[in-house]
Amino acid sequence: EPEVTQTPSHQVTQMGQEVILRCVPISNHLYFYWYRQILGQKVEFLVSFYNNEISEKSEIFDDQFSVERPDGSNFTLKIRSTKLEDSAMYFCASSETGTLSSYNSPLHFGNGTRLTVT
Amino acid sequence: SQQGEEDPQALSIQEGENATMNCSYKTSINNLQWYRQNSGRGLVHLILIRSNEREKHSGRLRVTLDTSKKSSSLLITASRAADTASYFCQGGSEKLVFGKGTKLTVNP
Repeated sequence: EPEVTQTPSHQVTQMGQEVILRCVPISNHLYFYWYRQILGQKVEFLVSFYNNEISEKSEIFDDQFSVERPDGSNFTLKIRSTKLEDSAMYFCASSETGTLSSYNSPLHFGNGTRLTVT
Repeated sequence: SQQGEEDPQALSIQEGENATMNCSYKTSINNLQWYRQNSGRGLVHLILIRSNEREKHSGRLRVTLDTSKKSSSLLITASRAADTASYFCQGGSEKLVFGKGTKLTVNP
């Protein structure tokens, strides 16, 4: 069964450094998402992406964050200048249809990248 | 946002027992989905129920939806230790916000 893959599985970086988290969504999916989960807390929505642009973003997704689909397969999340509080699991997800569709399809999640900012 | 809120926050049962988790949401939805998360892993989709459905089954899972009460329940029958995980509901919305989940522990 096709799956969403994320790399790296664990990333350690120093405060103030830039990081890029990579995701390969399922090939026929059109909608892409990033979520994060701070240890022991709930899964928080960051951003959704469709047709090469952001369709929705949360308050967490400030100017330090950006997303890009640089080619036909990858979907990346960049954090420009990491802070200690950015330490979390970051999950990428994709779906066939949009969430506002009456028949919206489920999200397929990757296994996440654990980001540790020291 | 159409955040789902799960109840109880934690549930501990013995293997073989049934586990029931509830979910409430705030606004109208097209459908409601349940996900599970094993510790440190991504969420896995379990089942989707549309707003015009009242009940749906998938293996040992049974989901009900009451749109008048804006609530849903997930029943896992004959639970197994491998069912130990956190369970989340999510009502279809642009942001796909998740609640805090129900942490289910099935003791062997």
